[in-house]
Amino acid sequence: DVKVTQSSRYLVKRTGEKVFLECVQDMDHENMFWYRQDPGLGLRLIYFSYDVKMKEKGDIPEGYSVSREKKERFSLILESASTNQTSMYLCASSPPRGTGYTFGSGTRLTVV
Amino acid sequence: AQKITQTQPGMFVQEKEAVTLDCTYDTSDPSYGLFWYKQPSSGEMIFLIYQGSYDQQNATEGRYSLNFQKARKSANLVISASQLGDSAMYFCAMREGLTNAGKSTFGDGTTLTVKP
Repeated sequence: DVKVTQSSRYLVKRTGEKVFLECVQDMDHENMFWYRQDPGLGLRLIYFSYDVKMKEKGDIPEGYSVSREKKERFSLILESASTNQTSMYLCASSPPRGTGYTFGSGTRLTVV
Repeated sequence: AQKITQTQPGMFVQEKEAVTLDCTYDTSDPSYGLFWYKQPSSGEMIFLIYQGSYDQQNATEGRYSLNFQKARKSANLVISASQLGDSAMYFCAMREGLTNAGKSTFGDGTTLTVKP
């Protein structure tokens, strides 16, 4: 009964690598989001998308990009991973003007 | 300015008792939604309850209720008859407007520990 799937639960990457975090939802939701969660900083919005091929910057987009070629898939890209991007990354989806988000189980990324 | 404030970093409650988790918000938009999420130690965020700014009645979902006081800009979560499985971090969130694609701002969270 999984509705939002993040491709990896744990990931270790080297500094400078290009990193892809994948998120797929099966609920036909228009809106998709990428947040990062850090102790003491809560959840911060990186990017979101309200339609295929549409994307909007969130509060902390620097060092990230996204891709949404299909409605069900929203990818987060770290162009050149850095140690300060070590974090928990949470993907979520929601219908337009809907109620709460449905979250994936998160990807804990460590950049060494 | 912080849009969502959760002033309680940690809370303790005895099993079977009720507990209130505080949340205040700040917005000048007349249309907004307020949400509560639960994050157990496993890490997955779970949506609990929603309150719209125009809703006349407080939202309820099973043992969860949202005490919405619009004039005070507060949206406290009340959990009745606490269970050990309620031990988790709880986040309050707000979505402003009706046409902003639903993006939400989250508070810093409150860690709830239920004691047996």
